[in-house]
Amino acid sequence: DTAVSQTPKYLVTQMGNDKSIKCEQNLGHDTMYWYKQDSKKFLKIMFSYNNKELIINETVPNRFSPKSPDKAHLNLHINSLELGDSAVYFCASSPLPRSSSGNTIYFGEGSWLTVV
Amino acid sequence: DQQVKQNSPSLSVQEGRISILNCDYTNSMFDYFLWYKKYPAEGPTFLISISSIKDKNEDGRFTVFLNKSAKHLSLHIVPSQPGDSAVYFCAASATIQGAQKLVFGQGTRLTINP
Repeated sequence: DTAVSQTPKYLVTQMGNDKSIKCEQNLGHDTMYWYKQDSKKFLKIMFSYNNKELIINETVPNRFSPKSPDKAHLNLHINSLELGDSAVYFCASSPLPRSSSGNTIYFGEGSWLTVV
Repeated sequence: DQQVKQNSPSLSVQEGRISILNCDYTNSMFDYFLWYKKYPAEGPTFLISISSIKDKNEDGRFTVFLNKSAKHLSLHIVPSQPGDSAVYFCAASATIQGAQKLVFGQGTRLTINP
């Protein structure tokens, strides 16, 4: 029973297309995230939503638009795909912060996007 | 501007010995530090964390040490087991309105040799 699930796992698409990656968490967490792992293997935060409200928005092109219909879902829409968008996109979620141990973030398995 | 650095891209250790993975950071505002383990084609899995007000946290075979004055943390795994072979990411955390922004290092590939 996957805690953070994202679909599709693999996606190959042509430049200029519009695509979406869906994410759902069944952990009851209030906060969800999108991270991107680029070709150099760096993992970087893109967005964070807390109970459907956008909290963190890093310097990501406007072509990327997250949508959170409810606190268990955070989908990523990408318009006019470019070659440089090829990467692994990880969805994640976390509970409210705990003073004793901070905030553990749970990641999905990743979505491999290849733009050709 | 790489705020979290793991300077060793790879590390090879004999089974049963100690593995020590290192991480340096530059921003004093981080409030937690975490280690994640990642297998190929899977998402990162949380391993252990430490608050910025502590200097050590232990969980079974895993111990994380934090040296705030040096802005350095390390993960010790003892004894190392073949199943520990994976990529290990160090991450530093800043809490923003209830959301946790993690800044990751570039990872260290640990190989445990039998």
